[in-house]
Amino acid sequence: ETGVTQTPRHLVMGMTNKKSLKCEQHLGHNAMYWYKQSAKKPLELMFVYSLEERVENNSVPSRFSPECPNSSHLFLHLHTLQPEDSALYLCASSQDFSGYEQYFGPGTRLTVT
Amino acid sequence: EDQVTQSPEALRLQEGESSSLNCSYTVSGLRGLFWYRQDPGKGPEFLFTLYSAGEEKEKERLKATLTKKESFLHITAPKPEDSATYLCAVEDGGSQGNLIFGKGTKLSVKP
Repeated sequence: ETGVTQTPRHLVMGMTNKKSLKCEQHLGHNAMYWYKQSAKKPLELMFVYSLEERVENNSVPSRFSPECPNSSHLFLHLHTLQPEDSALYLCASSQDFSGYEQYFGPGTRLTVT
Repeated sequence: EDQVTQSPEALRLQEGESSSLNCSYTVSGLRGLFWYRQDPGKGPEFLFTLYSAGEEKEKERLKATLTKKESFLHITAPKPEDSATYLCAVEDGGSQGNLIFGKGTKLSVKP
């Protein structure tokens, strides 16, 4: 257990559905992250939040919408996804948003049909 | 453009056969280099952080080293439970908070 939890662990959704991924960290960290991990590709950073403010958005399509209501919770809202969005979505947190190791949750395996 | 290249892509070892994994990087200013271990279906598990050339960190059978251009993860007398994918990531001082990951090295240790 790393202190970062994610729900659900598995999700299957159609292209017209709307769903949300949830992440919670119990480490007292100030920064939280969303990553996408696809087969044969490196982890890709999607969003960074520091003290509940977004500090990085790596050109992610608008069908992915993050929300950080407080420093312990992070959501990723999904709508009208494409099959190529199927991947493992990982949440991470760190003490601060620069220079510190990140601790990852177990991920949500997303399949878009 | 910042880049992280890991080699080899896959490595098969016999139990007890020591070896090294390589992570080459190109960044304008290194803020930190991170090693992670990832088991199938799980999130990456943090192993080490290295900040400056010459730095070394050890944990059980693993030892990480850093130069100005690359990092090595040395595995001494590996056991089957060391089988995993090992990921390297760097943070560039010019893009704080943005970890650039390599594709990883998949290590298999046979008994």
